Amino acid sequence: GQNIDQPTEMTATEGAIVQINCTYQTSGFNGLFWYQQHAGEAPTFLSYNVLDGLEEKGRFSSFLSRSKGYSYLLLKELQMKDSASYLCAVMDSNYQLIWGAGTKLIIKP
Amino acid sequence: DVKVTQSSRYLVKRTGEKVFLECVQDMDHENMFWYRQDPGLGLRLIYFSYDVKMKEKGDIPEGYSVSREKKERFSLILESASTNQTSMYLCATDPGQGDLNEQFFGPGTRLTVL
Repeated sequence: GQNIDQPTEMTATEGAIVQINCTYQTSGFNGLFWYQQHAGEAPTFLSYNVLDGLEEKGRFSSFLSRSKGYSYLLLKELQMKDSASYLCAVMDSNYQLIWGAGTKLIIKP
Repeated sequence: DVKVTQSSRYLVKRTGEKVFLECVQDMDHENMFWYRQDPGLGLRLIYFSYDVKMKEKGDIPEGYSVSREKKERFSLILESASTNQTSMYLCATDPGQGDLNEQFFGPGTRLTVL
């Protein structure tokens, strides 16, 4: 079966750095997405990785290792507004998105 | 900016009622999707559509149907609502072309079936 695993909840301090991991087992791979979802709102796109390595976008970076079935989202200089759920999703061989359950990130002052 | 709108943010229905959830997008996207989101679970795909009048079953189509009569509009129908269909329903679209098929989401409809 297809599976995406990510931690249920993480806590971090304002101004710090946090890394949210995602491991996956899917039938085929056509890219990995990270989305941010604030409580009661729709998910919004953060990043996309299809090749191994690090993609940096401002305070957010996303890393992919296809051989290990592993990705992480790195958030730097955390702000209170970063409190949200972070969803990892993998596009499989049929170009369907398989979604993880999301990681709820709590930022403390 | 892509805009995806859904007909209601909150909806309360009774068991056995027929429920219509509507999604409209304004960017001429080819692909449209209906998901449900429940606590502790990832988004689960109910139905999707790659073109007008075309529909494909997702992972959990039982108890649902869809309609896509116009490119910009994708409706989800609960033929006879049941309490286990209480959930957040999210509509999404993507352009269907290019290397990055980022999905754009509507605000969601929180449906409660009593």
